[in-house]
Amino acid sequence: DAGVIQSPRHEVTEMGQEVTLRCKPISGHDYLFWYRQTMMRGLELLIYFNNNVPIDDSGMPEDRFSAKMPNASFSTLKIQPSEPRDSAVYFCASSHGQGRANEKLFFGSGTQLSVL
Amino acid sequence: QKEVEQDPGPLSVPEGAIVSLNCTYSNSAFQYFMWYRQYSRKGPELLMYTYSSGNKEDGRFTAQVDKSSKYISLFIRDSQPSDSATYLCAMRGYSSASKIIFGSGTRLSIRP
Repeated sequence: DAGVIQSPRHEVTEMGQEVTLRCKPISGHDYLFWYRQTMMRGLELLIYFNNNVPIDDSGMPEDRFSAKMPNASFSTLKIQPSEPRDSAVYFCASSHGQGRANEKLFFGSGTQLSVL
Repeated sequence: QKEVEQDPGPLSVPEGAIVSLNCTYSNSAFQYFMWYRQYSRKGPELLMYTYSSGNKEDGRFTAQVDKSSKYISLFIRDSQPSDSATYLCAMRGYSSASKIIFGSGTRLSIRP
């Protein structure tokens, strides 16, 4: 398996623009997570899905952020409009949630987002 | 106060040294404790996990959990330059639906 695949790897955009980050989880994994990592705040959970259904979005910072998972093999995180303080590395992770396996998160390589 | 506290470092030690990385936490409901390793420009990868208190060993790595003190540790024996990375502790409650909370990570550098 290729692991969790994220695109784009880098994104540079101007304030006010819409940004869409994409993620393909590992096949067979039923949990998908979106994290944001910054030097100041570390790794923060934004939202997670179970079987394509959003379970907890309490970490989504504002209404400017939205996430979807239309099927088991694809998810998007959208920021509209983007702001400079959204600059961070955004990670997608997936896991197989049966039993005690949920702590074994498999992360993608991340999207480095810079909002100018 | 953050639920999970971790010294950000950086920590620099010579090759072959024993490394000790630590985290403290405040939520007594945490039952699963993990250590993730993150290389530069990569996502974190699970290194070890333990349930409740006690020790767990895997090769050169030992994870220790002291729930009475709300303190967890990761020891690396015979450290190698390839161990240079950021180490993040993580933990969650018993329910599989509970969120995993990460520490901010400790940057470790092993000098050849």
